[in-house]
Amino acid sequence: DQQVKQNSPSLSVQEGRISILNCDYTNSMFDYFLWYKKYPAEGPTFLISISSIKDKNEDGRFTVFLNKSAKHLSLHIVPSQPGDSAVYFCAASDAAGGTSYGKLTFGQGTILTVHP
Amino acid sequence: DAGVIQSPRHEVTEMGQEVTLRCKPISGHDYLFWYRQTMMRGLELLIYFNNNVPIDDSGMPEDRFSAKMPNASFSTLKIQPSEPRDSAVYFCASSPSFGRQDPYEQYFGPGTRLTVT
Repeated sequence: DQQVKQNSPSLSVQEGRISILNCDYTNSMFDYFLWYKKYPAEGPTFLISISSIKDKNEDGRFTVFLNKSAKHLSLHIVPSQPGDSAVYFCAASDAAGGTSYGKLTFGQGTILTVHP
Repeated sequence: DAGVIQSPRHEVTEMGQEVTLRCKPISGHDYLFWYRQTMMRGLELLIYFNNNVPIDDSGMPEDRFSAKMPNASFSTLKIQPSEPRDSAVYFCASSPSFGRQDPYEQYFGPGTRLTVT
């Protein structure tokens, strides 16, 4: 049972254009969402997050949007740069209840390629 | 800070052999996580510890997998006996009770690529 799904295995965009990565979830108890970026031969690194009390969070070129009714979040990268080429994982937490603090459920990942 | 350290980086073994993966978390972190990455399922949480105590091992595939954390600076993930379907990249991650950038931020090691032939 995949509670967090990234249905696009890959995405290719031109440098300078917008990259939009999507993520869907099924567990309505999830209340915190994160995006991680992973380069080859390295571990994932934290990129940006959003709480369920918000619908948007922005950090420089990266913006995450959350649509709770649709159980959908997206990561926008504007403008895209070749150095953004990596695997992007979305992750979710239902830690508000306390018993699962620290636990993240990850999606399958989307490979982003930004062409010069 | 050296970050999360994992060893070995690559492991090739034959089916039926025992495999032990090692992890040294970042000093001072309370939580330690073991993940497995595959193309089909992405990053799957296998087990995690809080203050060296296993909290949730519901992601451990079967009894062939076991994990220990004898002290705050060391953890192992053991597969015995190993099977070809265990081939994957295994990540260890650690986190403090509250991350610097984000309350749920986890810090990942570089991973161990396991190949079982």
